[in-house]
Amino acid sequence: GQNIDQPTEMTATEGAIVQINCTYQTSGFNGLFWYQQHAGEAPTFLSYNVLDGLEEKGRFSSFLSRSKGYSYLLLKELQMKDSASYLCAVIDSNYQLIWGAGTKLIIKP
Amino acid sequence: ETGVTQTPRHLVMGMTNKKSLKCEQHLGHNAMYWYKQSAKKPLELMFVYSLEERVENNSVPSRFSPECPNSSHLFLHLHTLQPEDSALYLCASSQEVASSYEQYFGPGTRLTVT
Repeated sequence: GQNIDQPTEMTATEGAIVQINCTYQTSGFNGLFWYQQHAGEAPTFLSYNVLDGLEEKGRFSSFLSRSKGYSYLLLKELQMKDSASYLCAVIDSNYQLIWGAGTKLIIKP
Repeated sequence: ETGVTQTPRHLVMGMTNKKSLKCEQHLGHNAMYWYKQSAKKPLELMFVYSLEERVENNSVPSRFSPECPNSSHLFLHLHTLQPEDSALYLCASSQEVASSYEQYFGPGTRLTVT
């Protein structure tokens, strides 16, 4: 079967750095998305990786290793508004989007 | 504001009721989606439409009936639901139906079936 694994919940301190991991076992790979979803709101696009390496976008970076079936989202200089759920999703060989259950990130002052 | 709106935002219905969820996208996209989001579970894709034609139906019970009258509007008609259908129902759109395109989500309808 196809599976996306993310930690259920993480806690971090304002101003710090946090890394949210996503490991996947899918039938093939054609890309990986990260979305952010604040409580009661719509998920919004953060990043898309299809090649190995690090993609940096302001305070957020996303890393991909296709050989390890692994990605992470790195959030720097954490702010209270970063408290949200972070969803990982993988495009498989049939171009189906497989979603993880999301990681709830709690930021403490 | 993502350019995708959903109404109502909250809905409580009995198991014998009939109701409809509405989604509208103002982005000129050709693909629209219905998802079910339950607590601590992955998003479940229910239906996919491309230019008003249904291209995917993921074994969704017949008590959920989608309708796409044009490329900007999507409905989900509900009837004789079960308590386990209580969830957040999200609508999304993308430029094309290919999964490599970023999806834009609406805020969802929080559905409670009593």
